Amino acid sequence: RKEVEQDPGPFNVPEGATVAFNCTYSNSASQSFFWYRQDCRKEPKLLMSVYSSGNEDGRFTAQLNRASQYISLLIRDSKLSDSATYLCVVTFDRGSTLGRLYFGRGTQLTVWP
Amino acid sequence: NAGVTQTPKFQVLKTGQSMTLQCAQDMNHNSMYWYRQDPGMGLRLIYYSASEGTTDKGEVPNGYNVSRLNKREFSLRLESAAPSQTSVYFCASSEWVNEQYFGPGTRLTVT
Repeated sequence: RKEVEQDPGPFNVPEGATVAFNCTYSNSASQSFFWYRQDCRKEPKLLMSVYSSGNEDGRFTAQLNRASQYISLLIRDSKLSDSATYLCVVTFDRGSTLGRLYFGRGTQLTVWP
Repeated sequence: NAGVTQTPKFQVLKTGQSMTLQCAQDMNHNSMYWYRQDPGMGLRLIYYSASEGTTDKGEVPNGYNVSRLNKREFSLRLESAAPSQTSVYFCASSEWVNEQYFGPGTRLTVT
């Protein structure tokens, strides 16, 4: 069983729409959680960390539910530039210089005009 | 500031050939990683290095070897390439667990 499971999509939404991605993780010992973004044929880049209390970064909101082992990412007012693959990532390490990250397979988002 | 660089960007090998993928980072990070990315499989860790002189196996190490040459450089070697190693290879580095910085990737095809 994979450590991190994501709905692969694709999600196709119009500009201005709100879209949500979900992710579940299998190991309750997981300590830290992130969303990475990967543009087509490019490298992954950190989008945002996910904190227990939930956190926002502009149009992006991340939520964590440790009891259900569930992470979500909400994108409001979608832009064309949001089109990418969103990777859910967990790690068992916290406060460490060595972070083994476990990646989900990614959810593909296309925003159309 | 180049970040993480990888060479080559593209490579085609015949089955049984060997090659080394090079990775270098200029951010003075201690930890470095090699991943492969295949369609429908996501990113999988091949090997990682917590510091100069140390390396450890990741999820899919078979068929690969690595060398942490110094703090900046971490190379990945395929001794006898197989078609199953056709993939996109990413090198990454990090200082803290919260963010890994990835190189642009090497697209490898083994025929």
